Formats: sequence, structure tokens, C-alpha cells
Amino acid sequence: GAGVSQSPRYKVAKRGQDVALRCDPISGHVSLFWYQQALGQGPEFLTYFQNEAQLDKSGLPSDRFFAERPEGSVSTLKIQRTQQEDSAVYLCASSLAREGYGYTFGSGTRLTVV
Amino acid sequence: GNSVTQMEGPVTLSEEAFLTINCTYTATGYPSLFWYVQYPGEGLQLLLKATKADDKGSNKGFEATYRKETTSFHLEKGSVQVSDSAVYFCAPLTSGSRLTFGEGTQLTVNP
Repeated sequence: GAGVSQSPRYKVAKRGQDVALRCDPISGHVSLFWYQQALGQGPEFLTYFQNEAQLDKSGLPSDRFFAERPEGSVSTLKIQRTQQEDSAVYLCASSLAREGYGYTFGSGTRLTVV
Repeated sequence: GNSVTQMEGPVTLSEEAFLTINCTYTATGYPSLFWYVQYPGEGLQLLLKATKADDKGSNKGFEATYRKETTSFHLEKGSVQVSDSAVYFCAPLTSGSRLTFGEGTQLTVNP
């Protein structure tokens, strides 16, 4: 597609509920990243895929967070047993994986845990 | 570890004023450097970049020069407009192709 698409745009979850956030990267982009952006803060790295391989998941805050990209295209970020501190905007970005190319970000999913 | 220090905001300027937003970073080697902008209610957009020392990135009247001696990548614009009101993020591309973002600097330009 023309850009990185994320869905849903907004998600309200009750504490303890599981959620799944979807990212459709730009066609042909090898690299895919997930970031978490708390209100008034810069984005914080969560995880990175190159094609279907998850090369770095060091930013995932707990084992309740899980990401996958089974066919090297669409990715899903799953959060189990959501907590209030999970409330944030979750950003997905994709890249051609060339040094200096930069990322293209999606508009994000705003998750609110109540 | 890798880190980014940005000028604290918020910054409030009048239209046509000169803008500087400072950014310094710590990283291994000489990473590519980026400025991203986030307009109200929108996602992050790439503003400009520089991939090696002394490179100058520029876009929409904004400029930033890669200074390896001072590990800095300060953002400048000679004459800001109301439409430049946004949050600006400095971000080096660090190990593992990861962008590391600063805290962001909120800019408000008044007419």
C-alpha cells in the first residue's frame, strides 16, 4: 500500500483483557518495528522484524507482550491481561532496511486500559 | 548505552522568528541521524536526515548539520510559520537498525 496502516485506530480495553493490534507495512519493506509512545514522551522501541524473523525483542516490557509477523508482511502485537500502565499509542514503522533510509510510521493505535 | 538529549520544551515563538532545537547524542560509531515531526493528531513524519559527518539535511526550510566532533544534530529554521507548530524528535539510527528517540520538543508558533 501507499503507507503503513494500523488498526484499530483506537482501542479501549478493560483491565485484564487481551488485545491484538495490527500493522500493514508498505509493500516490499523488509524491516518492521513496533514502538510504544506514552503521553508526552518520545517513542520507545519494543521489537524489530526482518521479514518473518524477530531479530530483537529486547524492548518488550514484559512477557505479556508478544509480536509476530508469520509471512513477513502483516504484523500483530498482542498484549495479554492488559494493565493500566499499558495505556499508550503503539506505533508501527517499516523500512527498506537500507542504512540511512529511515522509517515510515503508521498513525498508531491509541490503547486505553480502564 | 545509546541516548539522545533534546532541548527542553515547550518552545513558543512568534511567526518569522528564528528556530533552534538542540540535539546531542551518544552512540557507537557514526550513526545516521534523523529529525521526525509529529503534527497534532498525526503520526510521526520524517523531516530530514544526514548519513555522514558534515552532511546537511534539509526540508521545508529546516536544516540540520551532522557534527561528529560535538555529536550534535541541531535543527534550525530561519523563519517559522504557524503551520510549523508540532513536536520535533531527534533520533540517531543505533545498533540493530533501531531509531532511538529523544523526549521531543513541543514548538508553538503564534501569529
